Amino acid sequence: DAGVIQSPRHEVTEMGQEVTLRCKPISGHDYLFWYRQTMMRGLELLIYFNNNVPIDDSGMPEDRFSAKMPNASFSTLKIQPSEPRDSAVYFCASSEQVPKTNSSYNEQFFGPGTRLTVL
Amino acid sequence: AQKITQTQPGMFVQEKEAVTLDCTYDTSDPSYGLFWYKQPSSGEMIFLIYQGSYDQQNATEGRYSLNFQKARKSANLVISASQLGDSAMYFCAMREGGGADGLTFGKGTHLIIQP
Repeated sequence: DAGVIQSPRHEVTEMGQEVTLRCKPISGHDYLFWYRQTMMRGLELLIYFNNNVPIDDSGMPEDRFSAKMPNASFSTLKIQPSEPRDSAVYFCASSEQVPKTNSSYNEQFFGPGTRLTVL
Repeated sequence: AQKITQTQPGMFVQEKEAVTLDCTYDTSDPSYGLFWYKQPSSGEMIFLIYQGSYDQQNATEGRYSLNFQKARKSANLVISASQLGDSAMYFCAMREGGGADGLTFGKGTHLIIQP
């Protein structure tokens, strides 16, 4: 399996522009997660999907951020308009569906990340 | 209050020595999972080890082991016989509840292995 695929790997844009980050999860995985990593705030969960449905978007910083998962093999994270403080590494991760047990284990497989720079 | 606390921003360790990276967590949920990830300078996130809250034994994966002290709410990562390639950022993370929810990460520890 190719693992989680993210594109682009690097994105440089100017303030006010729209940015779209893309993610292809591992085939067969039912969960997809978007994380953001910055020096100031560390790694934060932005949103996650189960079977293409958004489950928790409480980590999405503001209305400028939106995420979609139109099908099981593709998700996008869009920032419109972008601001310099959005500069970060954005990770996508996926995991399998597991039954809820007392110690359910499900590894999250991370993509290589997209390094976004907003000038 | 932080849910995951890693108190060591940076550590220097001699090659071949054992390393313990500290992690304490805070949750009122009786069911949770604890994860350790490694992030080398290249940036990818590499899963190392997992411990479930109901697991009776400490998790081990090759040179990695997890010292799980539930009453103290600590989940320290132990790396035996450290190698130069172990130099990286190490993150402790928690998932609360059973199932597949998102992870809450600590700030990380920057480990540098010296020859």
